[in-house]
Order: sequence, then structure tokens, then C-alpha cells
Amino acid sequence: DGGITQSPKYLFRKEGQNVTLSCEQNLNHDAMYWYRQDPGQGLRLIYYSQIVNDFQKGDIAEGYSVSREKKESFPLTVTSAQKNPTAFYLCASSSGQGIGNTEAFFGQGTRLTVV
Amino acid sequence: GQNIDQPTEMTATEGAIVQINCTYQTSGFNGLFWYQQHAGEAPTFLSYNVLDGLEEKGRFSSFLSRSKGYSYLLLKELQMKDSASYLCAFYNYGQNFVFGPGTRLSVLP
Repeated sequence: DGGITQSPKYLFRKEGQNVTLSCEQNLNHDAMYWYRQDPGQGLRLIYYSQIVNDFQKGDIAEGYSVSREKKESFPLTVTSAQKNPTAFYLCASSSGQGIGNTEAFFGQGTRLTVV
Repeated sequence: GQNIDQPTEMTATEGAIVQINCTYQTSGFNGLFWYQQHAGEAPTFLSYNVLDGLEEKGRFSSFLSRSKGYSYLLLKELQMKDSASYLCAFYNYGQNFVFGPGTRLSVLP
């Protein structure tokens, strides 16, 4: 079955460490997105990518980095520069390219906690 | 700029009908989406409107007025399992999805 997979589901990070969250999709979607969700809040856009080898900053990109070397993969690195990284991270994909774009399909999410 | 707004919380009774409103402002609109999100889980897609009017999908319906920047999600025959957050989002042409803050719906017996 086609879908979008995030790993791990739970992640603990020590202060000062970088961590990488994995996101893989086999839906043949061009566009991929990373969102952050804090308790009781909506989704805030971190980074997005419409095509391979290209990505754009979202509203809260500071302290995060991404790469898009393959169509299927869009990993997110939470760097030590991110002051308050504890949150629920959601990866999504869609067909992209404007008109005819599908809805966003979400992975199961990664809950990151700084210890 | 772009903005999207929804009520923070709503309460309704099992078996009733509830309407969740969403207003938005954007210069590059290309579709209005509704998602359901249970606590601790990922959002799941409910409905999509790109043209004005009503889209019906079983117990769920969604309405869009592009000239007014307004949408609503209508849930009929409410069930306890409908207790969740409902997220309104628009797609910015060629860019990304912008999500509202979500409306937390509590269904009471």
C-alpha cells in the first residue's frame, strides 16, 4: 500500500545534540512538507519542497535544516540552534504543482522530547 | 498577507448537527481542505472544496464561498468518536498548505 512513513515515533534528545527525523513516501508525490505542532496548537510550516534538490523555508525554519536528494525522502534535522525543539513533528506529501494538487497526506508523526 | 481563523472550542450533543466555521485571507488560493485530528495522532483528510458551493460526503459536508473567504464543515448525526480537533487549511498556489489553529470539538452523551 502507498503511504508516508515517519520514524521514529518517539525521539529523545539531549540538549546540544542534533537529531534527524526520517520521512519517506511511496506515493510518487512531488511535494513534501514538514510541520511542527505544539500542544493545543495548529500546524506551523517548517520547510517544504516542490521538487527534488529544491526546498523553501516556511514560517519557523530557524534551527532546522532539510535535504531533498530523492523524490521519496525529505529528512528533517533539528539542530542545537533550535531553542525549544520539544514538539510533535508531522511530515506530509501531496502531488503539488498547483492546480490539480491533491490533499496533503500525513505520516504518523514523530514526538520529540528534549531531556 | 495570509491568515486563517477558526473557533477554538465547540461542544455538541451526540446525534446533533454541528457547524464549524473557517475564515481565511490569501492572495493565492487554490483549494480549501478540512482535516480531522484525534489527540496524539496525525491529521486525516475529510473534504476539499475548490469551487463555491457544498460538497457532501456521508455525515460530513463542507461549504466554500471564495468571494467571502469563508468555509464551514457540517457534521451530522454526531457520534462520540467525532470528538477531535478539526483543522481548516488552504493551499497557496504552487506553494504549501496553510493550516488554521484548529477547532476542538467535544461530543457529549
